[in-house]
Amino acid sequence: DAGVTQSPTHLIKTRGQQVTLRCSPKSGHDTVSWYQQALGQGPQFIFQYYEEEERQRGNFPDRFSGHQFPNYSSELNVNALLLGDSALYLCASTSIRGGLGQPQHFGDGTRLSIL
Amino acid sequence: KQEVTQIPAALSVPEGENLVLNCSFTDSAIYNLQWFRQDPGKGLTSLLLIQSSQREQTSGRLNASLDKSSGRSTLYIAASQPGDSATYLCAVNYGSSNTGKLIFGQGTTLQVKP
Repeated sequence: DAGVTQSPTHLIKTRGQQVTLRCSPKSGHDTVSWYQQALGQGPQFIFQYYEEEERQRGNFPDRFSGHQFPNYSSELNVNALLLGDSALYLCASTSIRGGLGQPQHFGDGTRLSIL
Repeated sequence: KQEVTQIPAALSVPEGENLVLNCSFTDSAIYNLQWFRQDPGKGLTSLLLIQSSQREQTSGRLNASLDKSSGRSTLYIAASQPGDSATYLCAVNYGSSNTGKLIFGQGTTLQVKP
């Protein structure tokens, strides 16, 4: 049973460019959340998708946008990249029907470096 | 403001020692609390999840406790091993279901020396 998978693993971009990161949730999961983790910090919540709609959003600018597909996979798009966007981007999945006791599962992340 | 704090930021212990990692949170109205392990450059591995109605959870050498009234959780690691070396993150779910957003502490980096 595959867990949460993210691609690519590493990415290098320059300031002003745009980037798309991808996430496939764990089998049976329908809800995907994205987090940004700067070096030495805990992850920060970006947004969450369920039924192809954004359900919750953290304190991130509109340059950060996302999408969820009918197969529950998701994309994170970041426009007009800034040096401060350099971070590990993590995807988490869970099931809204999972009920009590179901943890959120994380992928290995995409390391984004902005030059 | 809902905040999560982990103390200490770093910890170094000799192999075999029992140790406790601390997590405190500012708002007691939580849905659940999850402990994660993160190896350098890697993603998060879920260790234990405690529901708001529970006091503790155990998995092998790990035991996590929850005291909502004091806004604290602890992760107890028994008989530590060099393979336990990693960063341990505490995350609080303040939502109304298991899909709620997680608020993380900054983590405790543990080094277990052989």
